[in-house]
Amino acid sequence: DSGVTQTPKHLITATGQRVTLRCSPRSGDLSVYWYQQSLDQGLQFLIQYYNGEERAKGNILERFSAQQFPDLHSELNLSSLELGDSALYFCASSVVALNTGELFFGEGSRLTVL
Amino acid sequence: DAKTTQPNSMESNEEEPVHLPCNHSTISGTDYIHWYRQLPSQGPEYVIHGLTSNVNNRMASLAIAEDRKSSTLILHRATLRDAAVYYCILRDRFYNQGGKLIFGQGTELSVKP
Repeated sequence: DSGVTQTPKHLITATGQRVTLRCSPRSGDLSVYWYQQSLDQGLQFLIQYYNGEERAKGNILERFSAQQFPDLHSELNLSSLELGDSALYFCASSVVALNTGELFFGEGSRLTVL
Repeated sequence: DAKTTQPNSMESNEEEPVHLPCNHSTISGTDYIHWYRQLPSQGPEYVIHGLTSNVNNRMASLAIAEDRKSSTLILHRATLRDAAVYYCILRDRFYNQGGKLIFGQGTELSVKP
């Protein structure tokens, strides 16, 4: 158990819909990262927040947005869903936004868009 | 971010040592070498990291070439639970981008009983 909690574990929805994925980081971790893993793209970095502020941005689509709340949990919002958005979405956390610290990953949220 | 090259797949027998190679010929002096692994249906997990010297922990050893252009992750006795995709990742110690990890394709390790 990494200590990172992601909900929901599974989600099935239709094209055009909007969903919200939630992540609770490990206690004390200030930095939250979101990743997307699909069969053809591997693990893709989407976005990172540190103590409520956006810190780094990766290949995140404009239809996707995220935020980190004062209690440090984070939400990833996916809108106007397309079939290609079906993937595993992982959240990770670390103590600080440094490049030597270990990242702890959750078990992921599996999104299926029909 | 500097690039790493790993074999797509490797096979091992249970209870034998496994050496997983990684080439990183464009590594900079401030890059740390990190290894993560992803077991089936799970999120990635940290294995080990190092800068210049060889490193050991309870999970594995990391052997870093003297010129730092390659490294090897060593699992001393493979178990069936070690079957996973292993990722070798470079992270710039001073690059002010918050510590994100950029994953490549990794090496899929299968372990035979």
